[in-house]
Amino acid sequence: GDSVTQMEGPVTLSEEAFLTINCTYTATGYPSLFWYVQYPGEGLQLLLKATKADDKGSNKGFEATYRKETTSFHLEKGSVQVSDSAVYFCALVSRSSARQLTFGSGTQLTVLP
Amino acid sequence: GAGVSQTPSNKVTEKGKYVELRCDPISGHTALYWYRQSLGQGPEFLIYFQGTGAADDSGLPNDRFFAVRPEGSVSTLKIQRTERGDSAVYLCASSPTGEGTEAFFGQGTRLTVV
Repeated sequence: GDSVTQMEGPVTLSEEAFLTINCTYTATGYPSLFWYVQYPGEGLQLLLKATKADDKGSNKGFEATYRKETTSFHLEKGSVQVSDSAVYFCALVSRSSARQLTFGSGTQLTVLP
Repeated sequence: GAGVSQTPSNKVTEKGKYVELRCDPISGHTALYWYRQSLGQGPEFLIYFQGTGAADDSGLPNDRFFAVRPEGSVSTLKIQRTERGDSAVYLCASSPTGEGTEAFFGQGTRLTVV
């Protein structure tokens, strides 16, 4: 079945540091890939997505590139801010489960001033 | 409201009791999803509605769980004979048409079974 494996947390960084959160997946065919973010006290929000190989999703300074050869979709940001502190979830929708998101376990990010 | 609304935000119930969790999706969204999120885990799919019908209920863990969406808008997730293992955050999401469109999530209902 489909699965998503993401970097375990928690991750603690200083403001302006570089961020990478690793995400790899197993799925049938070529899934669509997503990063969702959950800020404290808020619901899950879509951060970015990519629907085919070599696509790059980007939003709010975050980027992730769909790498078919390594089945990865790592999240990066060049300079994190305190306001980026949240839980980040990697997710996919595959052809075999076109109506449901399969999520990773989440990575807690804390950015210190 | 503008977003997906879930009520109650918190529910504490005794083992063996029946509970109902409500979801008000974004107006006009035909697709509605329920997920369950246990502590330290990502959300897990429970059920998907397209309009009034349950198009995919493959994620429901057992027959104690049931969900309805009688008029194609509001949905209720029903759990019978609750068990302590049912304790989790139950998330509802809606999307405009379903497949391939962005899902918008509510803030969830935290269910605690004591």
